[in-house]
Amino acid sequence: DQQVKQNSPSLSVQEGRISILNCDYTNSMFDYFLWYKKYPAEGPTFLISISSIKDKNEDGRFTVFLNKSAKHLSLHIVPSQPGDSAVYFCAASASGSQGNLIFGKGTKLSVKP
Amino acid sequence: DSGVTQTPKHLITATGQRVTLRCSPRSGDLSVYWYQQSLDQGLQFLIQYYNGEERAKGNILERFSAQQFPDLHSELNLSSLELGDSALYFCASSVTLGTPFSSGNTIYFGEGSWLTVV
Repeated sequence: DQQVKQNSPSLSVQEGRISILNCDYTNSMFDYFLWYKKYPAEGPTFLISISSIKDKNEDGRFTVFLNKSAKHLSLHIVPSQPGDSAVYFCAASASGSQGNLIFGKGTKLSVKP
Repeated sequence: DSGVTQTPKHLITATGQRVTLRCSPRSGDLSVYWYQQSLDQGLQFLIQYYNGEERAKGNILERFSAQQFPDLHSELNLSSLELGDSALYFCASSVTLGTPFSSGNTIYFGEGSWLTVV
């Protein structure tokens, strides 16, 4: 049973437009959420995180929104750039879980010039 | 470069064999995690060590074991290998036990070790 779901395996966006990547979770004990970006032949790279006490966290072009009641979070990238083309993983963790992350299966983002 | 070093990068071995994957965490990081990424399962948490002690276990098979040494490097041992063990194995590290996460405290991943069992 998947506790973290990324229902869109892929997303294609035009350069300069907004990319919105979605993630749903089922475990109400999760209180930290992270987004990782992964290029081929590289390890996942930390992008941005959000605590459950917040509903928004922003870092440059990247913003993560958290809707606890819907158990849903999203990553917005504005404006999208070709270098953003990668697989994006949503991950969640619960306090007391020693920090191990539960990952979604990822969404492959393609940003077209 | 995350600062987490994994060796070997690629490994091909036969069924029934045993392999050891090695990980050096980022300088100063006490916590080491092992994850498995297979084609259909995504990234799965296997096990975590903190300052030499096992702290959490995930979906790790009994045929697999890990340890963290006094110099904080870690090894993942995979034995009696099966075809289904073919996957990308990631090591990751963090300063603390994990939460609370922030830009200053997060989990950094190595580039992974590709294991192919034939």
